[in-house]
Amino acid sequence: AQSVTQLDSHVSVSEGTPVLLRCNYSSSYSPSLFWYVQHPNKGLQLLLKYTSAATLVKGINGFEAEFKKSETSFHLTKPSAHMSDAAEYFCVVSSGGYQKVTFGIGTKLQVIP
Amino acid sequence: GAVVSQHPSRVICKSGTSVKIECRSLDFQATTMFWYRQFPKKSLMLMATSNEGSKATYEQGVEKDKFLINHASLTLSTLTVTSAHPEDSSFYICSARDSQPILNTEAFFGQGTRLTVV
Repeated sequence: AQSVTQLDSHVSVSEGTPVLLRCNYSSSYSPSLFWYVQHPNKGLQLLLKYTSAATLVKGINGFEAEFKKSETSFHLTKPSAHMSDAAEYFCVVSSGGYQKVTFGIGTKLQVIP
Repeated sequence: GAVVSQHPSRVICKSGTSVKIECRSLDFQATTMFWYRQFPKKSLMLMATSNEGSKATYEQGVEKDKFLINHASLTLSTLTVTSAHPEDSSFYICSARDSQPILNTEAFFGQGTRLTVV
């Protein structure tokens, strides 16, 4: 069994300030973890993924996330928010083989000018 | 990364008609494809798992006679919403995984289809 908890449904930051989107997971197996972004009326775009290699993962657009097994967390961060980062972000867990992925409920990021 | 093409991106149809949504893996073969539905202000909910050459596996609560899934080839799966009603209006997204037996491989998502039933 696996599950994902995104702790904040909505996050608001000022442009140029750091972004932190939190994600905790549970999994019976060694998981793969992903962050996807969805802009309004658009499909999902992969930001970054963790698949048992380096625990600090760098993604596109300056985002990165750190896999912490002891805390079962995979929080997404960015040093400086840009207006174009305003979107909905999904944390996703997948465990082995072709098992279906499990999505978090999503965090809507608002960037204030 | 691999590309999954979903078509159409937007469709408006009348109540009672049927709508077909296509999901294609453009540069890889996908034995398994997944169909998701996104409700307003909610996350993506898995509707069904589409298996090439066999019947789809539907999640609990999803009407298989209403949401017909066909996966006739390793690169194409279709979702047909039959006798559509306004409550079927939603954002539908497909995803596909490479058939190569690599553990923990990511799923690639289509662009999504915004269905509006009037």
